[in-house]
Amino acid sequence: DAGVTQSPTHLIKTRGQHVTLRCSPISGHKSVSWYQQVLGQGPQFIFQYYEKEERGRGNFPDRFSARQFPNYSSELNVNALLLGDSALYLCASSLQTTGLLGEQYFGPGTRLTVT
Amino acid sequence: SQQGEEDPQALSIQEGENATMNCSYKTSINNLQWYRQNSGRGLVHLILIRSNEREKHSGRLRVTLDTSKKSSSLLITASRAADTASYFCATVDSNYQLIWGAGTKLIIKP
Repeated sequence: DAGVTQSPTHLIKTRGQHVTLRCSPISGHKSVSWYQQVLGQGPQFIFQYYEKEERGRGNFPDRFSARQFPNYSSELNVNALLLGDSALYLCASSLQTTGLLGEQYFGPGTRLTVT
Repeated sequence: SQQGEEDPQALSIQEGENATMNCSYKTSINNLQWYRQNSGRGLVHLILIRSNEREKHSGRLRVTLDTSKKSSSLLITASRAADTASYFCATVDSNYQLIWGAGTKLIIKP
């Protein structure tokens, strides 16, 4: 079975622009979560979706939004990019119906650089 | 904000030795999870321990949880070069958010 996939792998954007990151969960997983990881730090929780509904949101500004599609894939959107948004964005899927309470399977991440 | 605090921040040991990492957290938890991250395999789940468990084993890994002290430890026995990675603890809080520490960087010297 394929693992969690994310696209693109790397992305360079300019301040003020908008970006869309994509994630496909493991087949059968209905929960998808998004994390931001700045170099040298642990991941920070951004969103969790289960069955296309937002189940949790971390302490991120409204410039960050996400959605989950009927096939359980997900998009993370970031508007009005700031230099501080430069990070590795990780997507994780979970089999647990209660989302974050179980083992998370992570994708390879999207490296976003904002210049 | 990050809830977990791993200690030490970095650890360098000889291959074959045991490695112990500690994690402290601030609020009540549902469970605590340990993950490993390296450049080759990304972020990988290692072990999950529930709040009503005190110890759990998986291969060369041993995790303990002390909810009264709000702390956990991860022991890796008979370390190998492939264990070189950053290790993170993550806790699921009452709002079902997964909160991560800053990680321990483990280097295994051959």
